[in-house]
Amino acid sequence: NAGVTQTPKFQVLKTGQSMTLQCAQDMNHNSMYWYRQDPGMGLRLIYYSASEGTTDKGEVPNGYNVSRLNKREFSLRLESAAPSQTSVYFCASYGAGGQPQHFGDGTRLSIL
Amino acid sequence: GQQVMQIPQYQHVQEGEDFTTYCNSSTTLSNIQWYKQRPGGHPVFLIQLVKSGEVKKQKRLTFQFGEAKKNSSLHITATQTTDVGTYFCAGPLTGGGNKLTFGTGTQLKVEL
Repeated sequence: NAGVTQTPKFQVLKTGQSMTLQCAQDMNHNSMYWYRQDPGMGLRLIYYSASEGTTDKGEVPNGYNVSRLNKREFSLRLESAAPSQTSVYFCASYGAGGQPQHFGDGTRLSIL
Repeated sequence: GQQVMQIPQYQHVQEGEDFTTYCNSSTTLSNIQWYKQRPGGHPVFLIQLVKSGEVKKQKRLTFQFGEAKKNSSLHITATQTTDVGTYFCAGPLTGGGNKLTFGTGTQLKVEL
């Protein structure tokens, strides 16, 4: 079982470049999430998708867009990358009541 | 807004010593989850507590949920080097979508 797969694992961008982070899950989960993790700040929710065809903002959505392409895939796009978006990005999925969120391995993104 | 704080931010112990991290929410939580993140890894679910005053044990780990359901703790007895990592608590965010708000995390380092 692959679980939650994120690509790429590492990326370096220049300020102003655009990029899409990919996430796919094979657990037939309805809900998917994008988080960013910065030192000393824990995980902060960027966007989430409660089900296929729906997306909504989390705590820190500015500078990002998302697409829930189908039930399996949830992508995160940076239209014009800024140094403040240097972070580790995690995708997660969630099935049903009482179950935990399952996380991908993360994408380490540096913006110069 | 809803906040979940953890203390301490860092803890450095000698192998064999005990360790405790505390989690405090600004609002009452319906449940609380604990995750562990190894260095360079992704968060992995440890346990969920639901009932007021609930105590659960996993080998050397003891989890408690406060009577008011606004605080929780994780205690590790006789730490080992395998316990190294960051421990996060997480509670449901208001607004549906099965969203979680994560605590700031406690980073544990264990020295031989």
